[in-house]
Formats: sequence, structure tokens, C-alpha cells
Amino acid sequence: VQLLESGGGLVQPGGSLRLSCAASGFTFSSYAMSWVRQAPGKGLEWVSAITGSGVGTHYADSVKGRFTISRDNSRNTLYMEMNSLRADDTAKYYCAKDPMGVTRAFDIWGQGTMVTVSS
Amino acid sequence: QSALTQPASVSGSPGQSITISCTGTSSDVGGYNYVSWYQQHPGKAPKLMIYDVSNRPSGVPDRFSGSKSGNTASLTISGLQAEDEADYYCSSYTSGSTRHVFGTGTKVTVL
Repeated sequence: VQLLESGGGLVQPGGSLRLSCAASGFTFSSYAMSWVRQAPGKGLEWVSAITGSGVGTHYADSVKGRFTISRDNSRNTLYMEMNSLRADDTAKYYCAKDPMGVTRAFDIWGQGTMVTVSS
Repeated sequence: QSALTQPASVSGSPGQSITISCTGTSSDVGGYNYVSWYQQHPGKAPKLMIYDVSNRPSGVPDRFSGSKSGNTASLTISGLQAEDEADYYCSSYTSGSTRHVFGTGTKVTVL
């Protein structure tokens, strides 16, 4: 069972970035997924969640209207489209598997991908 | 949605027991039995240690236990070991548009 994030990098304020999370070792479409971020030296912050079918999505107030979570179950891949990026979006972004749905807990995490927003 | 409140640091000697508190509100910790705890070593991804207040995933030592009373959840580590030195985060499902909230984090030091 593995999650592998990619797509992070350096972007200017106001710019956009798309993160990907490739899943393997489990039936991807059966599970809700979330993105969680961690600013350098700071704590964890839940960002967004999506149901297994992709129909239902939820966002933290801090990213609502700027970030869009999606998934392609045929490719076993989770995405996060990030627009209007700000300096306070700088963080390591983790994808996490939600085994029981309803964002109850996250049992598998990727290694994270770093996003740096700076001019 | 504010972060759940945890003590910044807790320490103990090997073999001792320590408890980390996690205080929220009736909209999160107090309202649902969906509190989980994560261990994070430096430079590593978080690891699920407790879910649904007191359940341990397979492979987590029974030295780790969880409980809840009202709006406060707790993680107890019994028989503290050197490898338990890490950051610990609580989290909870929450009502409203923001579906999940993490705690502020606690650094556990093994003396």
C-alpha cells in the first residue's frame, strides 16, 4: 500500500500548481482521500477531502475558492489544483487515505511534496 | 475553525507513563467519537496511532492508548521508550464545512 505525491515546486505569488498523488496496493476507488499540509516547522493542517466516487468534496476555509480536489479512479490518482497561491500556502503537502470515510482518520500517508510560494 | 489545543511539550523518563491532552469543542472532539492521534518523527510522514478515540491500528504497540471525556481527548503512552520521542498530533472530525481539524501538536521528549 503506497501513496506517492508529485508536482510540488517553487511558484510565484498568484501562480498555480497541480499536485498529484499516485496510489497503489489498494482499491483506490473504494476510499475517500484527503490532502493535509504542513508549513515548515509548523503543525498539520487538513486542506481538502474527496469521496471515493469523486462526487463529494470538502475544503478548509483557508483554501476554499482557490483549490480544487479531484481524482481519476481509472488512473488511481488524486489531484489538487491550486490557484491564486499565497506565501502562506508554502508547505509540504501530503495525500492521505481515509479508510472509514467522513474524514474520521487517515491510515496511509505519502511522503509529501513541497510547495514554495515566493517571488 | 480553530486548531485543537495541545500542550507544546511533554517529557518523561524511559519506562514512565505520559499523557497528552487535546481540547476542542462540542462541534468536534465533544460531539463525535472520531478523534485520532498521529506520531511524526522529524522529516517523516505522520503515522496513525489511534482512531475513533481509543482504537489501535494493527501494528501499533498496546503501550499507546486513547480516551475522551467531554471536549478533551487524551493519548497515554505507557512504558515510555526512546523511539517514542516524536511530535504527536490529535485530530477530529468536525461539523460544518470544514470537515476535519488537527491539534497544535505536542513534542514528546524521552529524558
